[in-house]
Amino acid sequence: GESVGLHLPTLSVQEGDNSIINCAYSNSASDYFIWYKQESGKGPQFIIDIRSNMDKRQGQRVTVLLNKTVKHLSLQIAATQPGDSAVYFCAENKRNTPLVFGKGTRLSVIA
Amino acid sequence: DSGVTQTPKHLITATGQRVTLRCSPRSGDLSVYWYQQSLDQGLQFLIQYYNGEERAKGNILERFSAQQFPDLHSELNLSSLELGDSALYFCASSSGPNYGYTFGSGTRLTVV
Repeated sequence: GESVGLHLPTLSVQEGDNSIINCAYSNSASDYFIWYKQESGKGPQFIIDIRSNMDKRQGQRVTVLLNKTVKHLSLQIAATQPGDSAVYFCAENKRNTPLVFGKGTRLSVIA
Repeated sequence: DSGVTQTPKHLITATGQRVTLRCSPRSGDLSVYWYQQSLDQGLQFLIQYYNGEERAKGNILERFSAQQFPDLHSELNLSSLELGDSALYFCASSSGPNYGYTFGSGTRLTVV
């Protein structure tokens, strides 16, 4: 069946280092992928998205990479800051179907 | 402020009771989605409405129901509540298929 999973439940990084959060998906028909950030007590916040016809997309300090061959998605955060501490979810979407979320990775930034 | 408004923010109720959670989508968004997030769990899709009509159903219990009104706000009704229903309930809206969702800040439901 369809599933979106995360390789690591927790990730600790030093402030200023780059962070890489990984995600695997199983549905090759998925055509849209999103990363969300959820801070404690808040709703998920959109970070960046990528469509299946792309393999890389950059935002402000964030880059999403999509490898369709191995069904892998990653989120790279440059120069990680304390404010980046949160749970990060990847989500998968096929046209006209609701987003399916992974369990999340907790990112802790060590000052 | 994401533009998606959820009320109430917190709700404490007893087992067996019924509650209603309310969501106002972002202006212009026709789709509303309800998700449940239990402790240390991801977001589980419950149900989607588009312009007043049910579009998709996920792992929603029969004790739960929802609707979307002509003004596009949505309500999630939870009845015969059990301790295991304690969770965060999020509403999200989007402007169309294959677009990112905007989430509200959630309703934290505690069943005692």
